[in-house]
Amino acid sequence: EVQLLESGGGLIQPGGSLRLSCAASGFTFNNYVMSWVRQAPGKGLEWVSAISGSGITTYYADSVKGRFTISRDNSKNTLYLQMNSLRAEDTAVYYCAKDFWSGFYRAFNIWGQGTMVTVSS
Amino acid sequence: EIVMTQSPATLSVSPGERATLSCRASQSVSSNLAWYQQKPGQAPSLLIYGASTRATGIPARFSGSGSGTEFTLTISSLQSEDFAVYYCQQYNNWPPSYTFGQGTKLEIK
Repeated sequence: EVQLLESGGGLIQPGGSLRLSCAASGFTFNNYVMSWVRQAPGKGLEWVSAISGSGITTYYADSVKGRFTISRDNSKNTLYLQMNSLRAEDTAVYYCAKDFWSGFYRAFNIWGQGTMVTVSS
Repeated sequence: EIVMTQSPATLSVSPGERATLSCRASQSVSSNLAWYQQKPGQAPSLLIYGASTRATGIPARFSGSGSGTEFTLTISSLQSEDFAVYYCQQYNNWPPSYTFGQGTKLEIK
């Protein structure tokens, strides 16, 4: 069974740092682009960052550029999101998502259950 | 930056009836458009990609249409399990990015 399992969320003070992890199973992890998507309480979805299968290329939303770093360890089938200089507006459920490429179109076909990050003093 | 706008924000429909949800892009996204369903307390799940192709296991009552800037998700005969929030999402090739609409809540009338 294809599965993504996030961990690492919690309560953190503004300005603090947190690292999220996403353990993947059931597919050849290093073959796929992976992303982080977040959802603030009661709000919609916001793509945060993506990383190529090799880990060489990374992409970020403007809202997190320079503060968040996405990485992956293909030997451990694990995706990471290092979050620094956290702000109250970063409070959200963070999902990891597996890329789906049809040959023409992209989408996220597998999502984790999410991990909650609360930035508050 | 491409902005995705969904309408209406909330749609009230009776079980067995048809629901039509709209998504508009601020500039052409060709057919790089996906639809997701999210139920309370759950992660989103993929319904449609490439604007009109159903994802694996998605019932035929879900259909997507459109290209360019105007897109529609139609649910032909609503079942109880279809009441949820629906999001459209575009994918931009370069620089790679994804943008979601703000969502449409489909509720029981």
